[in-house]
Amino acid sequence: DQQVKQNSPSLSVQEGRISILNCDYTNSMFDYFLWYKKYPAEGPTFLISISSIKDKNEDGRFTVFLNKSAKHLSLHIVPSQPGDSAVYFCAAIQGAQKLVFGQGTRLTINP
Amino acid sequence: DAGVIQSPRHEVTEMGQEVTLRCKPISGHDYLFWYRQTMMRGLELLIYFNNNVPIDDSGMPEDRFSAKMPNASFSTLKIQPSEPRDSAVYFCASSHATRIGETQYFGPGTRLLVL
Repeated sequence: DQQVKQNSPSLSVQEGRISILNCDYTNSMFDYFLWYKKYPAEGPTFLISISSIKDKNEDGRFTVFLNKSAKHLSLHIVPSQPGDSAVYFCAAIQGAQKLVFGQGTRLTINP
Repeated sequence: DAGVIQSPRHEVTEMGQEVTLRCKPISGHDYLFWYRQTMMRGLELLIYFNNNVPIDDSGMPEDRFSAKMPNASFSTLKIQPSEPRDSAVYFCASSHATRIGETQYFGPGTRLLVL
């Protein structure tokens, strides 16, 4: 039972354009959401988060949008850069410390 | 700080053998997590500890898997006997209790291949 779903295994975007990564969840009890970024042969690193009381959080080139009614969140990267090529994981908080992750989306930024 | 340290980085073993993965969390962190990454299911939480005590092991697949944390600076994840379907990347992460979510720091992972 996958409570957090990333339905796009991969995404390819041209450098300088906007990258949009999507994530859906099923558990309405989730109250905090996060995005992690993972390079090959490394562990995931925290990128950006959003509380369920907000609908948008911005940090430089990265913005996360939350649509609670649709149980959907998205990560926007603009402009996309070659260094953004990585696997991005969406995660939701269940309890104080328990993260529930999606399957990940591999983002490739083409020069 | 050296970050979360995991060993070995790669492990190849034969079906039926015992496998032990090791983790040293960041000093001062009081939560430790074990995750498994597969293509189909992404990152799955297997078990987590708070102050060396197992809090939630509901993600442990079956009795072949066990985890221990004998002290604040060391944890092991053991698979006995191992099976080919256990092949995955296993991550250890640690965090501090004061903030949720974003302070989970991951190690580089152990890539396990069971033949």
